[in-house]
Amino acid sequence: SQQGEEDPQALSIQEGENATMNCSYKTSINNLQWYRQNSGRGLVHLILIRSNEREKHSGRLRVTLDTSKKSSSLLITASRAADTASYFCATDHNQGGKLIFGQGTELSVKP
Amino acid sequence: NAGVTQTPKFQVLKTGQSMTLQCAQDMNHNSMYWYRQDPGMGLRLIYYSASEGTTDKGEVPNGYNVSRLNKREFSLRLESAAPSQTSVYFCASSENRGQGGELFFGEGSRLTVL
Repeated sequence: SQQGEEDPQALSIQEGENATMNCSYKTSINNLQWYRQNSGRGLVHLILIRSNEREKHSGRLRVTLDTSKKSSSLLITASRAADTASYFCATDHNQGGKLIFGQGTELSVKP
Repeated sequence: NAGVTQTPKFQVLKTGQSMTLQCAQDMNHNSMYWYRQDPGMGLRLIYYSASEGTTDKGEVPNGYNVSRLNKREFSLRLESAAPSQTSVYFCASSENRGQGGELFFGEGSRLTVL
């Protein structure tokens, strides 16, 4: 299976702290994406990083990509209780546009 | 602008019954996808349609069929439901201009097979 792995599976932090989630994958990619899922809802796209990019920012989000290690990380700075959700990485392996999702990291931010 | 709409939101079936999950998108996207989400397994691709008129198997296609009715609609059918198909099903769409782009997801359909 090409399914990526994410760690940690669960992360609990206090408001104001930073949260870092990691994603690893097995085969080469065109791009890697991060999604967020609030409890009982659909997934929402956060950010896309292409294979020739190393870092990307969007608001309080920072994504890095290391293709030599086949890994990515998502950093959420100055976290808020509203950031409580599950976060998934998804990889595009140049197979007709379909994405392969990791198992997710469940983030809990305590007020 | 509703995005991706899935129906029904909840369904309970008995083993052996059949049903169809409906999905429609109003963003004029080329590609549509069906995923299932199970605890600890993340999302797994069941079937996808890269463009109108084409469908392809994903990671877990057994027990399912799909129909890309037109550019807007992509349905998922369970011909003879089994308890192992108890899951949350998500439909998604994307523009998909060659590379895998951003997916837009529906709110999910929660299916229980008794």
